[in-house]
Amino acid sequence: AQKVTQAQTEISVVEKEDVTLDCVYETRDTTYYLFWYKQPPSGELVFLIRRNSFDEQNEISGRYSWNFQKSTSSFNFTITASQVVDSAVYFCALSEYGYGGSQGNLIFGKGTKLSVKP
Amino acid sequence: EAGVVQSPRYKIIEKKQPVAFWCNPISGHNTLYWYLQNLGQGPELLIRYENEEAVDDSQLPKDRFSAERLKGVDSTLKIQPAELGDSAVYLCASSFGGISYEQYFGPGTRLTVT
Repeated sequence: AQKVTQAQTEISVVEKEDVTLDCVYETRDTTYYLFWYKQPPSGELVFLIRRNSFDEQNEISGRYSWNFQKSTSSFNFTITASQVVDSAVYFCALSEYGYGGSQGNLIFGKGTKLSVKP
Repeated sequence: EAGVVQSPRYKIIEKKQPVAFWCNPISGHNTLYWYLQNLGQGPELLIRYENEEAVDDSQLPKDRFSAERLKGVDSTLKIQPAELGDSAVYLCASSFGGISYEQYFGPGTRLTVT
């Protein structure tokens, strides 16, 4: 069955530190997509990145970078030189072809709460 | 471009009362989702619509929850009667559909049942 595990419940860092948020997923599909979302205190989930199962190339966007490794079923997210505005809950999610009506449904992890202190 | 709109943002009701949540998706998005998010948890899908059709409602507690998406645009999620355990945030999201498109979320409705 599909599953997303974010083992880190809460992380606290001091501003300018680098921080990595872990995500491990389980799926039997060979075609799937992985996502990261940010949920700031205001509550609205914000899309950060999408990665498909055939593209293991790492991606960098400003201070954000993502490391996708199929061999370990992981899709980790690193924030370089963290800032107070990065404080939020971060969710990793999986979308797979599945079967029947479940195609495209997002399976979320429980989230990691990141606190960046000045 | 306007995002996903939800109303109300907050709702407090007594148990056994009915409640309804409304969602207006991003223009052009044919797929609409309702999620339930409990405190400290990730969102969990309740129902997914492709246009007017509910294509996955397997996680919707049909004894008390109902939803509709008339004309394939706006959607309403209803609970009748509400129970204490229904207190949570109800999120609406929309996308172009399929497994590859990201979903865009509204601000959610925080429901408190007393």
